Amino acid sequence: DVKVTQSSRYLVKRTGEKVFLECVQDMDHENMFWYRQDPGLGLRLIYFSYDVKMKEKGDIPEGYSVSREKKERFSLILESASTNQTSMYLCASSFNSRGYGYTFGSGTRLTVV
Amino acid sequence: SQKIEQNSEALNIQEGKTATLTCNYTNYSPAYLQWYRQDPGRGPVFLLLIRENEKEKRKERLKVTFDTTLKQSLFHITASQPADSATYLCAPQTGANNLFFGTGTRLTVIP
Repeated sequence: DVKVTQSSRYLVKRTGEKVFLECVQDMDHENMFWYRQDPGLGLRLIYFSYDVKMKEKGDIPEGYSVSREKKERFSLILESASTNQTSMYLCASSFNSRGYGYTFGSGTRLTVV
Repeated sequence: SQKIEQNSEALNIQEGKTATLTCNYTNYSPAYLQWYRQDPGRGPVFLLLIRENEKEKRKERLKVTFDTTLKQSLFHITASQPADSATYLCAPQTGANNLFFGTGTRLTVIP
């Protein structure tokens, strides 16, 4: 069964900490995405990557960075966590072509205290 | 500005009936439109995709229509079951990296 795996289901971090969220896919997909999901706001794209070492900003990149050193792995980094980054973070992957659905991970519920 | 509106935040229907969810979009020209199911605390799961030149797509008890003139997609679940209770997300797609999500409709199927 094809999968997108996120390293943690729940995470609690302190304000100012550097936070790493890891995502791994086993489908040889070119594209990988990081979204955050908040009640009433839906899914908002933070960053995406269409190839190794390539990245593009999404709608809300401020306060985040990403890393893609290998095709199967896409990391989201919160440089200095703040309470307004408390959210559900979702990783997804897809083929680099229109007409394909995205495969999502189970999500990481991050709480910044 | 670009907008995706899903008809209501919540929809309750009786088991066995057909659920119809509406998605209207503004200022997009999607070549595709996707529908996802999301259960509480989980990531969305891809259900169906329909192309702009397709009027209708079916998969088991699911049916999707796509009207590019009205800028609307309808998502139907026939013979609904309590297990169909979830949030359903509409997502117009303009490019491989350009998938835009609505906020979803929470469907509850009452036994």
